[in-house]
Amino acid sequence: GQNIDQPTEMTATEGAIVQINCTYQTSGFNGLFWYQQHAGEAPTFLSYNVLDGLEEKGRFSSFLSRSKGYSYLLLKELQMKDSASYLCACMDSNYQLIWGAGTKLIIKP
Amino acid sequence: ETGVTQTPRHLVMGMTNKKSLKCEQHLGHNAMYWYKQSAKKPLELMFVYSLEERVENNSVPSRFSPECPNSSHLFLHLHTLQPEDSALYLCASSRANLGGQGYTFGSGTRLTVV
Repeated sequence: GQNIDQPTEMTATEGAIVQINCTYQTSGFNGLFWYQQHAGEAPTFLSYNVLDGLEEKGRFSSFLSRSKGYSYLLLKELQMKDSASYLCACMDSNYQLIWGAGTKLIIKP
Repeated sequence: ETGVTQTPRHLVMGMTNKKSLKCEQHLGHNAMYWYKQSAKKPLELMFVYSLEERVENNSVPSRFSPECPNSSHLFLHLHTLQPEDSALYLCASSRANLGGQGYTFGSGTRLTVV
């Protein structure tokens, strides 16, 4: 079956760095997405990886290893506004998105 | 404003009511989706419309009925719902044959069935 695993909740300190991991098993692979969702708001697109390696975009970076079925989202210089849920999703061979349950990130002062 | 607008934002309905959720996008996308989001669960894909044709129905109960009159509008008609249907219902749009652009989501309708 298809499965996406990510931690349910993480806590980090303002100004620090946090890494949110995601492992996946899907029927085929056409890329991996990370989305951010603040409480009561729409999920918003953060990143897309289809090749192995690290993609950097400002304070956020996303890494992919296809051989390991593994990705992480790295957030640097954490700000209080980064408190949100982070959703990992894989696109399978039918170009359908398979979603993880999301990781709730709590930032403390 | 996310580019995808959903109304209403909140809805409380009894189990015998009939209501409709509305989604609208003007991003030029040609695929639209309904998702159910429950606490601590993955997003559940309910319906997909690509080029205005329904391409997937993931065993959703018949008390949920989608309608896509054109590529910019999507509805979800609700009738005789159950309390376990209470959730956040998200609409999303994308280009068909999705590439790396991802989906654009609406802010959702928070549905409570009493």
